[in-house]
Amino acid sequence: GDSVTQMEGPVTLSEEAFLTINCTYTATGYPSLFWYVQYPGEGLQLLLKATKADDKGSNKGFEATYRKETTSFHLEKGSVQVSDSAVYFCALTQGDAGNMLTFGGGTRLMVKP
Amino acid sequence: GAVVSQHPSRVICKSGTSVKIECRSLDFQATTMFWYRQFPKQSLMLMATSNEGSKATYEQGVEKDKFLINHASLTLSTLTVTSAHPEDSSFYICSAAGQLSNQPQHFGDGTRLSIL
Repeated sequence: GDSVTQMEGPVTLSEEAFLTINCTYTATGYPSLFWYVQYPGEGLQLLLKATKADDKGSNKGFEATYRKETTSFHLEKGSVQVSDSAVYFCALTQGDAGNMLTFGGGTRLMVKP
Repeated sequence: GAVVSQHPSRVICKSGTSVKIECRSLDFQATTMFWYRQFPKQSLMLMATSNEGSKATYEQGVEKDKFLINHASLTLSTLTVTSAHPEDSSFYICSAAGQLSNQPQHFGDGTRLSIL
């Protein structure tokens, strides 16, 4: 079956540091890929998405590129802020799966001032 | 953007109580709603998928008589935890998706359930 693997956290960075959170996937066909963010005590918010190979999703300074050749969708941000501290989930969905998401295990990011 | 409202945000109640959690899509028709459970510092565990007007599909290991799901309209799904016990304490999150495939799910803010 489909699966998503994320780097384990926590990831601890100083403010303005560069962020990379690795995400790789195993799936048949051509899934859509997503990054969700969860702030403490809240549900998940869609951060960005990409629906086909070589697409780049971007939002709030975060970016991720759909790399089919390496089955990856790594999340990057050039300069993190304290307010970016949260848990980040990589996920995929298949067109024939009724929008059902397959999640990675989540990566906790802690940004220190 | 699409908004999903989940209510209540926090519930504290005695063992044996049944608790109902509501999930509403506020600005789109949710043909499919999902219910998740999240343990501390872990990823989301899908409990069940519900389609409007039909019975929910439960994931393996989830007791359907314990976690009753109703999806009576295109904007409302409810999860009832029946006769809750301390081991049911958790963070429950709903999400909703529209008709188009490959569209992102939109999540509620979650319900923190604490059973004493």
